[in-house]
Amino acid sequence: AQSVTQPDIHITVSEGASLELRCNYSYGATPYLFWYVQSPGQGLQLLLKYFSGDTLVQGIKGFEAEFKRSQSSFNLRKPSVHWSDAAEYFCAVGARREYGNKLVFGAGTILRVKS
Amino acid sequence: EAQVTQNPRYLITVTGKKLTVTCSQNMNHEYMSWYRQDPGLGLRQIYYSMNVEVTDKGDVPEGYKVSRKEKRNFPLILESPSPNQTSLYFCASSSPGQRQETQYFGPGTRLLVL
Repeated sequence: AQSVTQPDIHITVSEGASLELRCNYSYGATPYLFWYVQSPGQGLQLLLKYFSGDTLVQGIKGFEAEFKRSQSSFNLRKPSVHWSDAAEYFCAVGARREYGNKLVFGAGTILRVKS
Repeated sequence: EAQVTQNPRYLITVTGKKLTVTCSQNMNHEYMSWYRQDPGLGLRQIYYSMNVEVTDKGDVPEGYKVSRKEKRNFPLILESPSPNQTSLYFCASSSPGQRQETQYFGPGTRLLVL
């Protein structure tokens, strides 16, 4: 069965500092991987996705993520955090057409940005 | 504009009073799902549908029903809501085509069951 682990429940970074959010997944085949962001009181916004090919994927808002098969990881990075990045971030693995393209989500990481 | 809509966005109800949350998508997607979001648990799939009249249970189906009579609509029905169904609900749609497996999420419905 698929599973996603986000080891950090909360992370606090200073504005302008770099950011890395960790994500580890368990999936039997080549995974489809996603990062979503949820601002307070808002819905989910897709930041980026990995289906195949280049293991470093670029997303919106200056985010990128790197797929490392050997480590079963898909960590999200940003070189310089802005105060508006404060939100909850979810990593998800896709079931690839099974179960209606089901996504299995991690528990989320809440990012706080201090000025 | 491609979108998934949900109604209502906010709902307060009492235990046992039947309610329906509607979901509609305008992208002609075959697949639709319902998820619930709870703190510390992320989102979990409740039910999914892979086409009209084809529905199946997800990971947390207890206490919920769905129907898919039209391709664009996928309502979530709580026949006898209980307080443990207080949650944030998201509807999602997608296509089975290659590289199309990105879920488009609705804005969410926040439900409080008293």
